[in-house]
Amino acid sequence: QQPVQSPQAVILREGEDAVINCSSSKALYSVHWYRQKHGEAPVFLMILLKGGEQKGHDKISASFNEKKQQSSLYLTASQLSYSGTYFCGTLPGGSNYKLTFGKGTLLTVNP
Amino acid sequence: SQTIHQWPATLVQPVGSPLSLECTVEGTSNPNLYWYRQAAGRGLQLLFYSVGIGQISSEVPQNLSASRPQDRQFILSSKKLLLSDSGFYLCAWSYRGGQGAFFGQGTRLTVV
Repeated sequence: QQPVQSPQAVILREGEDAVINCSSSKALYSVHWYRQKHGEAPVFLMILLKGGEQKGHDKISASFNEKKQQSSLYLTASQLSYSGTYFCGTLPGGSNYKLTFGKGTLLTVNP
Repeated sequence: SQTIHQWPATLVQPVGSPLSLECTVEGTSNPNLYWYRQAAGRGLQLLFYSVGIGQISSEVPQNLSASRPQDRQFILSSKKLLLSDSGFYLCAWSYRGGQGAFFGQGTRLTVV
């Protein structure tokens, strides 16, 4: 089942922070985050495998609450290059490798 | 290092014509392979995924099919294209354990 992302769109000024949320109605083995620039393929940002795990990538970090089946992506001190559509992808537990994505969050960072 | 090749980058096909999109992965073995479709301004719709040669899971009933004739080759096909098949088709691979997925450049298909 497709994860649910919120918000659908965010508009920021350079230097502001944003949070993108991803939730699932089913238990999750892992949560992935991707960024897609217009006209390009999505690019893998990070994966969270354990409940409570947090990861960081430059000024982009994420957390995974396994019990709540939720993940959040944190973008701090946003840069113009952060603009794009962010997708969360989820894998169910066990040997199921069906990787499904949320509908995406369009992030626009303005000068 | 691992690379994924997907071609062609763009394709214009008439309604009713056949389709064959190919994707190959280099630098890894026994990957999970995926085909997604993205309509303009929309999300990523999972079409097919495969965990091994000849093993295909179909997610959306439609006039598309997929095959995996070799470990690192994934093919998306159609016998007769519909207008609604237009979109951005993306192939992706992941490690067996599912640790992240890596996408090909995509094929922008327009059915006219």
